[in-house]
Amino acid sequence: AQSVTQLGSHVSVSEGALVLLRCNYSSSVPPYLFWYVQYPNQGLQLLLKYTSAATLVKGINGFEAEFKKSETSFHLTKPSAHMSDAAEYFCAVSDQGNNDMRFGAGTRLTVKP
Amino acid sequence: ETGVTQSPTHLIKTRGQQVTLRCSSQSGHNTVSWYQQALGQGPQFIFQYYREEENGRGNFPPRFSGLQFPNYSSELNVNALELDDSALYLCASSSGGPPLYEQYFGPGTRLTVT
Repeated sequence: AQSVTQLGSHVSVSEGALVLLRCNYSSSVPPYLFWYVQYPNQGLQLLLKYTSAATLVKGINGFEAEFKKSETSFHLTKPSAHMSDAAEYFCAVSDQGNNDMRFGAGTRLTVKP
Repeated sequence: ETGVTQSPTHLIKTRGQQVTLRCSSQSGHNTVSWYQQALGQGPQFIFQYYREEENGRGNFPPRFSGLQFPNYSSELNVNALELDDSALYLCASSSGGPPLYEQYFGPGTRLTVT
């Protein structure tokens, strides 16, 4: 069964600094991979998704992620953090042909002024 | 276009009681998935409904059950509530059935079991 592991339950960066949130996946078949963001007391919002097209995926709010099969990774990056980026971020995987999505435990991003 | 809505927003129940949570899918979506998100954890897949039929289930006991209606709205029912059922319950809708590659989440229902 597919799964994801998010490295680091809490990441803290300064405003304007690079954001890097790590995600490694495990899947026996080519995966679909996703990053979601969750603000306090809200549902999940899709940031970006990889569905076997381009390996570098651009999402909303300036975020992007690169699918690296050799490293089984799908790390999320943003060149310059903004205070409004402070939230919980979840990486998720869905096997092609499957019908459920498996989420990581989440990484809380804090942005310092 | 109306997004995914869930009701109620918050709910407090007593151990042993039963609860029904509701979800209206996004317009045009025929697939609804339910997730349980315990505090400080990622969402866990409960089950999915596609065109009114259960189409996959996670590792949850039978006291978690669901329905999908002809308009593709859905209900999650939990019987014999336990303290560990306290969580945020998220509904997500998508179109076209499996494979699942894009879904839209509602704001969730916060269930507290005392």
